[in-house]
Amino acid sequence: DAGVTQSPTHLIKTRGQHVTLRCSPISGHKSVSWYQQVLGQGPQFIFQYYEKEERGRGNFPDRFSARQFPNYSSELNVNALLLGDSALYLCASSFGTGTETQYFGPGTRLLVL
Amino acid sequence: AQSVTQLGSHVSVSEGALVLLRCNYSSSVPPYLFWYVQYPNQGLQLLLKYTTGATLVKGINGFEAEFKKSETSFHLTKPSAHMSDAAEYFCAVSEVNTGRRALTFGSGTRLQVQP
Repeated sequence: DAGVTQSPTHLIKTRGQHVTLRCSPISGHKSVSWYQQVLGQGPQFIFQYYEKEERGRGNFPDRFSARQFPNYSSELNVNALLLGDSALYLCASSFGTGTETQYFGPGTRLLVL
Repeated sequence: AQSVTQLGSHVSVSEGALVLLRCNYSSSVPPYLFWYVQYPNQGLQLLLKYTTGATLVKGINGFEAEFKKSETSFHLTKPSAHMSDAAEYFCAVSEVNTGRRALTFGSGTRLQVQP
């Protein structure tokens, strides 16, 4: 079975631009979470979606937004990019929002110049 | 609020030696605890997790961790290091009894294995 997939794998943008990152969860999983991992740090929680509804949001500005589609895939959008948004963006999927394990994708590495 | 502290950003051991990676957590409610491993340019892979029940948890690749409530610790161990264990290790906590299962991660420990 395919694991969590993310696209693109790498992305270079300039300050002020907008970016959309995509995630497809493991088949049967209904929950998707997004994390930001800045170089040298642990991942930080951005959003969690379950059944197309936002179930949690981390301490990130409103420039960050996300949505989940009927097929449970998800997009993370970041507007007005800053240099500090350069990071590895990780998507994780789980069956629900309970005790299930979150399975991570390989990430999208974003570089903002 | 929950938090995780990983003591030692870098740990170096010899091949065949004991691996001990330290993790302490803070949580106002009973925690769920996780160890993930990250190889270069890859995502995170679950090593093991503690939810309830037995406090000694066995994971993949010979790793295990013990939940000690009195010490608020969840240290990761492996009796004999292998070269392939070289990677970054992250301890994480999520809170029971909340509708959100967001993981709070520590800052990570990079494990080097010397031949």
